[in-house]
Amino acid sequence: TQLLEQSPQFLSIQEGENLTVYCNSSSVFSSLQWYRQEPGEGPVLLVTVVTGGEVKKLKRLTFQFGDARKDSSLHITAAQPGDTGLYLCAGLYNNNDMRFGAGTRLTVKP
Amino acid sequence: SAVISQKPSRDICQRGTSLTIQCQVDSQVTMMFWYRQQPGQSLTLIATANQGSEATYESGFVIDKFPISRPNLTFSTLTVSNMSPEDSSIYLCSGGDETQYFGPGTRLLVL
Repeated sequence: TQLLEQSPQFLSIQEGENLTVYCNSSSVFSSLQWYRQEPGEGPVLLVTVVTGGEVKKLKRLTFQFGDARKDSSLHITAAQPGDTGLYLCAGLYNNNDMRFGAGTRLTVKP
Repeated sequence: SAVISQKPSRDICQRGTSLTIQCQVDSQVTMMFWYRQQPGQSLTLIATANQGSEATYESGFVIDKFPISRPNLTFSTLTVSNMSPEDSSIYLCSGGDETQYFGPGTRLLVL
Protein backbone atom coordinates (compact mmCIF):
# COMPACT_ATOMS: atom_id res chain seq x y z
CA THR A 1 0.00 0.00 0.00
CA GLN A 2 1.41 3.37 -1.09
CA LEU A 3 0.95 5.73 1.83
CA LEU A 4 2.29 8.64 -0.20
CA GLU A 5 0.75 9.70 -3.49
CA GLN A 6 3.32 11.42 -5.66
CA SER A 7 2.44 13.06 -8.95
CA PRO A 8 3.07 13.30 -11.77
CA GLN A 9 4.91 10.06 -12.36
CA PHE A 10 6.58 11.33 -15.53
CA LEU A 11 7.30 14.86 -16.65
CA SER A 12 9.05 15.96 -19.83
CA ILE A 13 9.52 19.69 -20.35
CA GLN A 14 11.63 22.16 -22.27
CA GLU A 15 14.49 24.06 -20.72
CA GLY A 16 13.25 27.26 -19.08
CA GLU A 17 9.80 25.97 -18.14
CA ASN A 18 8.49 25.75 -14.60
CA LEU A 19 7.14 22.61 -12.95
CA THR A 20 5.60 21.39 -9.71
CA VAL A 21 5.69 17.93 -8.17
CA TYR A 22 3.18 16.97 -5.50
CA CYS A 23 3.28 14.57 -2.59
CA ASN A 24 0.09 13.82 -0.63
CA SER A 25 -0.92 11.55 2.21
CA SER A 26 -3.95 10.95 4.38
CA SER A 27 -1.65 10.66 7.39
CA VAL A 28 0.36 13.31 9.19
CA PHE A 29 4.12 13.31 8.71
CA SER A 30 6.62 13.95 11.48
CA SER A 31 8.83 15.32 8.71
CA LEU A 32 9.18 15.05 4.96
CA GLN A 33 12.24 14.78 2.78
CA TRP A 34 12.74 15.38 -0.92
CA TYR A 35 15.47 13.46 -2.72
CA ARG A 36 16.91 13.53 -6.22
CA GLN A 37 18.45 10.46 -7.76
CA GLU A 38 20.53 10.14 -10.90
CA PRO A 39 21.15 6.84 -12.71
CA GLY A 40 23.75 4.69 -10.98
CA GLU A 41 23.66 6.63 -7.74
CA GLY A 42 21.75 6.60 -4.49
CA PRO A 43 19.15 9.24 -3.67
CA VAL A 44 20.64 12.57 -2.57
CA LEU A 45 18.83 14.62 0.02
CA LEU A 46 17.57 18.00 -1.20
CA VAL A 47 15.63 19.23 1.81
CA THR A 48 13.88 18.24 5.01
CA VAL A 49 10.72 20.06 6.08
CA VAL A 50 9.36 19.70 9.57
CA THR A 51 7.00 22.56 10.40
CA GLY A 52 3.50 22.86 8.93
CA GLY A 53 3.37 25.73 6.44
CA GLU A 54 7.12 25.77 6.07
CA VAL A 55 8.64 27.02 2.81
CA LYS A 56 12.27 26.39 1.93
CA LYS A 57 14.17 27.61 -1.10
CA LEU A 58 17.22 26.04 -2.63
CA LYS A 59 18.28 28.19 -5.60
CA ARG A 60 15.57 27.52 -8.23
CA LEU A 61 13.82 24.91 -6.09
CA THR A 62 11.02 25.84 -3.69
CA PHE A 63 9.66 23.32 -1.21
CA GLN A 64 6.40 23.74 0.66
CA PHE A 65 5.02 21.72 3.54
CA GLY A 66 1.27 21.83 4.03
CA ASP A 67 -0.21 23.42 7.13
CA ALA A 68 -1.59 20.06 8.26
CA ARG A 69 1.72 18.30 7.49
CA LYS A 70 -0.04 15.86 5.12
CA ASP A 71 1.20 17.21 1.81
CA SER A 72 4.19 18.83 0.19
CA SER A 73 5.22 20.27 -3.13
CA LEU A 74 8.44 20.86 -5.01
CA HIS A 75 8.48 23.71 -7.54
CA ILE A 76 11.34 24.19 -9.97
CA THR A 77 11.65 27.53 -11.74
CA ALA A 78 13.32 27.81 -15.15
CA ALA A 79 14.24 24.13 -15.33
CA GLN A 80 17.60 23.18 -16.79
CA PRO A 81 18.81 19.91 -18.34
CA GLY A 82 20.88 19.36 -15.22
CA ASP A 83 17.64 19.06 -13.23
CA THR A 84 16.85 15.81 -15.05
CA GLY A 85 16.48 12.90 -12.64
CA LEU A 86 14.16 10.93 -10.39
CA TYR A 87 12.61 13.03 -7.63
CA LEU A 88 11.38 11.19 -4.55
CA CYS A 89 9.41 12.41 -1.59
CA ALA A 90 9.68 10.49 1.66
CA GLY A 91 7.52 10.99 4.71
CA LEU A 92 8.51 10.05 8.21
CA TYR A 93 5.61 8.66 10.24
CA ASN A 94 5.64 8.01 13.97
CA ASN A 95 9.31 9.05 14.10
CA ASN A 96 10.67 5.75 12.79
CA ASP A 97 8.59 4.70 9.79
CA MET A 98 9.71 6.26 6.51
CA ARG A 99 7.69 5.75 3.35
CA PHE A 100 8.55 6.81 -0.18
CA GLY A 101 6.36 8.13 -2.93
CA ALA A 102 6.40 6.43 -6.32
CA GLY A 103 8.79 9.02 -7.70
CA THR A 104 8.65 11.59 -10.50
CA ARG A 105 10.91 11.04 -13.45
CA LEU A 106 11.77 14.49 -14.81
CA THR A 107 13.34 15.07 -18.20
CA VAL A 108 14.36 18.59 -19.16
CA LYS A 109 15.12 18.90 -22.85
CA PRO A 110 17.56 21.56 -24.08
CA SER B 1 24.61 14.67 7.82
CA ALA B 2 25.97 11.17 7.39
CA VAL B 3 28.08 9.55 4.69
CA ILE B 4 27.05 6.03 3.74
CA SER B 5 29.21 3.54 1.89
CA GLN B 6 28.22 0.16 0.51
CA LYS B 7 30.16 -2.86 -0.62
CA PRO B 8 30.11 -4.36 -3.18
CA SER B 9 28.98 -1.70 -5.63
CA ARG B 10 27.85 -4.37 -8.08
CA ASP B 11 27.98 -8.12 -8.50
CA ILE B 12 26.91 -10.85 -10.86
CA CYS B 13 25.88 -14.05 -9.09
CA GLN B 14 24.69 -17.51 -9.98
CA ARG B 15 21.24 -18.64 -8.92
CA GLY B 16 21.17 -20.56 -5.65
CA THR B 17 24.08 -18.66 -4.14
CA SER B 18 24.00 -15.93 -1.49
CA LEU B 19 25.46 -12.44 -1.39
CA THR B 20 26.12 -10.27 1.66
CA ILE B 21 26.02 -6.51 1.21
CA GLN B 22 27.77 -4.29 3.73
CA CYS B 23 26.69 -0.80 4.75
CA GLN B 24 28.96 1.52 6.74
CA VAL B 25 27.99 4.91 8.20
CA ASP B 26 30.63 7.47 9.15
CA SER B 27 28.79 8.34 12.38
CA GLN B 28 26.48 6.65 14.84
CA VAL B 29 22.87 6.73 13.67
CA THR B 30 19.65 5.66 15.30
CA MET B 31 18.00 4.09 12.28
CA MET B 32 19.25 2.06 9.35
CA PHE B 33 17.08 0.71 6.58
CA TRP B 34 17.46 -1.58 3.60
CA TYR B 35 15.63 -0.94 0.33
CA ARG B 36 15.25 -2.54 -3.06
CA GLN B 37 14.84 -0.48 -6.21
CA GLN B 38 14.18 -1.47 -9.78
CA PRO B 39 15.87 0.90 -12.27
CA GLY B 40 13.86 4.08 -12.71
CA GLN B 41 11.37 3.18 -10.00
CA SER B 42 10.86 4.17 -6.41
CA LEU B 43 12.26 2.45 -3.35
CA THR B 44 10.65 -0.53 -1.65
CA LEU B 45 11.50 -0.95 2.01
CA ILE B 46 12.78 -4.41 2.86
CA ALA B 47 13.40 -4.01 6.57
CA THR B 48 14.51 -1.81 9.42
CA ALA B 49 17.86 -2.89 10.83
CA ASN B 50 17.64 -2.72 14.61
CA GLN B 51 20.77 -2.53 16.69
CA GLY B 52 20.91 -5.36 19.20
CA SER B 53 17.70 -7.06 18.11
CA GLU B 54 16.12 -8.76 15.14
CA ALA B 55 15.32 -6.68 12.06
CA THR B 56 11.74 -5.62 11.38
CA TYR B 57 10.62 -6.86 7.97
CA GLU B 58 8.02 -5.39 5.66
CA SER B 59 5.24 -7.44 4.16
CA GLY B 60 6.61 -9.72 1.47
CA PHE B 61 10.11 -9.94 2.92
CA VAL B 62 11.24 -12.64 5.34
CA ILE B 63 14.28 -13.20 7.49
CA ASP B 64 15.20 -16.51 5.89
CA LYS B 65 15.53 -14.84 2.50
CA PHE B 66 17.02 -11.52 3.63
CA PRO B 67 18.88 -11.99 6.92
CA ILE B 68 20.10 -8.69 8.35
CA SER B 69 22.70 -7.92 10.96
CA ARG B 70 23.32 -4.70 12.84
CA PRO B 71 26.05 -5.25 15.40
CA ASN B 72 26.49 -1.55 16.23
CA LEU B 73 25.22 1.94 15.40
CA THR B 74 27.44 2.40 12.33
CA PHE B 75 27.26 -0.90 10.43
CA SER B 76 24.73 -3.30 8.94
CA THR B 77 24.68 -6.17 6.48
CA LEU B 78 21.96 -7.56 4.24
CA THR B 79 22.25 -11.05 2.80
CA VAL B 80 20.28 -12.07 -0.25
CA SER B 81 19.95 -15.83 0.16
CA ASN B 82 19.37 -18.60 -2.35
CA MET B 83 19.20 -16.06 -5.15
CA SER B 84 17.06 -16.30 -8.25
CA PRO B 85 16.94 -13.99 -11.29
CA GLU B 86 13.95 -12.23 -9.68
CA ASP B 87 16.34 -10.90 -7.02
CA SER B 88 18.20 -8.86 -9.63
CA SER B 89 17.83 -5.30 -8.47
CA ILE B 90 19.53 -2.36 -6.81
CA TYR B 91 19.85 -2.70 -3.06
CA LEU B 92 20.24 0.48 -1.03
CA CYS B 93 20.91 1.11 2.60
CA SER B 94 20.15 4.30 4.44
CA GLY B 95 21.07 5.64 7.84
CA GLY B 96 20.24 8.62 9.95
CA ASP B 97 18.10 9.94 12.71
CA GLU B 98 15.15 12.02 11.52
CA THR B 99 16.66 12.47 8.05
CA GLN B 100 17.85 9.45 6.10
CA TYR B 101 21.02 9.50 3.99
CA PHE B 102 21.62 6.89 1.33
CA GLY B 103 24.49 4.80 0.15
CA PRO B 104 25.30 4.57 -3.55
CA GLY B 105 23.59 1.19 -3.89
CA THR B 106 24.60 -2.33 -4.84
CA ARG B 107 23.64 -3.46 -8.31
CA LEU B 108 22.93 -7.17 -8.30
CA LEU B 109 22.43 -9.35 -11.35
CA VAL B 110 21.48 -12.97 -10.81
CA LEU B 111 21.96 -15.32 -13.74
